[in-house]
Amino acid sequence: SQQGEEDPQALSIQEGENATMNCSYKTSINNLQWYRQNSGRGLVHLILIRSNEREKHSGRLRVTLDTSKKSSSLLITASRAADTASYFCATDVKGSNYKLTFGKGTLLTVNP
Amino acid sequence: GAVVSQHPSWVICKSGTSVKIECRSLDFQATTMFWYRQFPKQSLMLMATSNEGSKATYEQGVEKDKFLINHASLTLSTLTVTSAHPEDSSFYICSANDRRPPVSYEQYFGPGTRLTVT
Repeated sequence: SQQGEEDPQALSIQEGENATMNCSYKTSINNLQWYRQNSGRGLVHLILIRSNEREKHSGRLRVTLDTSKKSSSLLITASRAADTASYFCATDVKGSNYKLTFGKGTLLTVNP
Repeated sequence: GAVVSQHPSWVICKSGTSVKIECRSLDFQATTMFWYRQFPKQSLMLMATSNEGSKATYEQGVEKDKFLINHASLTLSTLTVTSAHPEDSSFYICSANDRRPPVSYEQYFGPGTRLTVT
């Protein structure tokens, strides 16, 4: 079963706006990672946040993690048309021997 | 750094034939490689974990005799889809990481292989 559940499933915004995607999970984790996938392509690693961290930044990306609520959010600021892609959260579940469990993903469309 | 390649990028085969997909870590040694499949507009589902020099560990519901995985070296893992059928058509993606200290949690993903079985 899916460990992570993203919402919304799809998000359409205008260039320049911010995009926020959320991810919820069910069990204790070592870390949570966000990936981007362009249509029909492989995954690009965006950011990893450890279970003892609450917030991380990387360029226009900001990720938060709330282990008490078992949730994470990915914020993309000042979006660009090139940010159009599917975004997945993946959890490294404790005791899983570093296996990643992916959520269903959010399809982000940034309109020029 | 940390580049993973897959070959082929796409393949079309006839029902009943076998197809081999290669996953290579180009600039690092991968002690562990993972194989995923992804159906259109869906998420990635882990099929198996392979550790160099040992047998792969398959996820529940994945037939080990149908999806043969070999991880003979620290830079190469192969997935062979045996006696392929149209329902095996999917996007297959591998990832790799190096478990030797200092351990990195990050997995590096290949670009994927699109398999179409006719």
